Amino acid sequence: SQTIHQWPATLVQPVGSPLSLECTVEGTSNPNLYWYRQAAGRGLQLLFYSVGIGQISSEVPQNLSASRPQDRQFILSSKKLLLSDSGFYLCAWSEQSRDTDTQYFGPGTRLTVL
Amino acid sequence: RKEVEQDPGPFNVPEGATVAFNCTYSNSASQSFFWYRQDCRKEPKLLMSVYSSGNEDGRFTAQLNRASQYISLLIRDSKLSDSATYLCNAGNNRKLIWGLGTSLAVNP
Repeated sequence: SQTIHQWPATLVQPVGSPLSLECTVEGTSNPNLYWYRQAAGRGLQLLFYSVGIGQISSEVPQNLSASRPQDRQFILSSKKLLLSDSGFYLCAWSEQSRDTDTQYFGPGTRLTVL
Repeated sequence: RKEVEQDPGPFNVPEGATVAFNCTYSNSASQSFFWYRQDCRKEPKLLMSVYSSGNEDGRFTAQLNRASQYISLLIRDSKLSDSATYLCNAGNNRKLIWGLGTSLAVNP
């Protein structure tokens, strides 16, 4: 069966510090991968998605970036965090080969920027 | 108008009650619709896909009304464990737009 891992689970970072969040998927090949942010009082916001290694689509202009160095690894980064980057960051995957957009989420990283 | 709208609730219902949520979407080109449940401080978990013909999974029934552009979720015989936030989404081609969620509290 497929599993999706994210780490760390929680993170407290000062403003201006860098960020690196990692997501890995097991049990599937060539998945679509997604990064979402869920801020307090706001819905799930799609930040990036990827259909393959090195292929990243950005949905929202921001100071975040994403990379997919391996088939089942998705990384979210920032060079300098802002207060507004605080939130619950969720990685998700879906099957590439199916018509459905069913997405499955990892446990998330709760980021607080102080 | 938000692209996907839900009544935030909270819906407070007694155990055994039937409760229904609606979710409206603005993009008529949407092809994929889902209901997820999210427990406090946890990730969303897939509850069910919503098919054009409607679908049922145990106590849960989902319906799609394309003409009026909404989807619905019906929960019968509510359990305490159904207490959660229910998220709907709509979209296509990997881009799903999410509602803010409807909070449900099932009381003993």
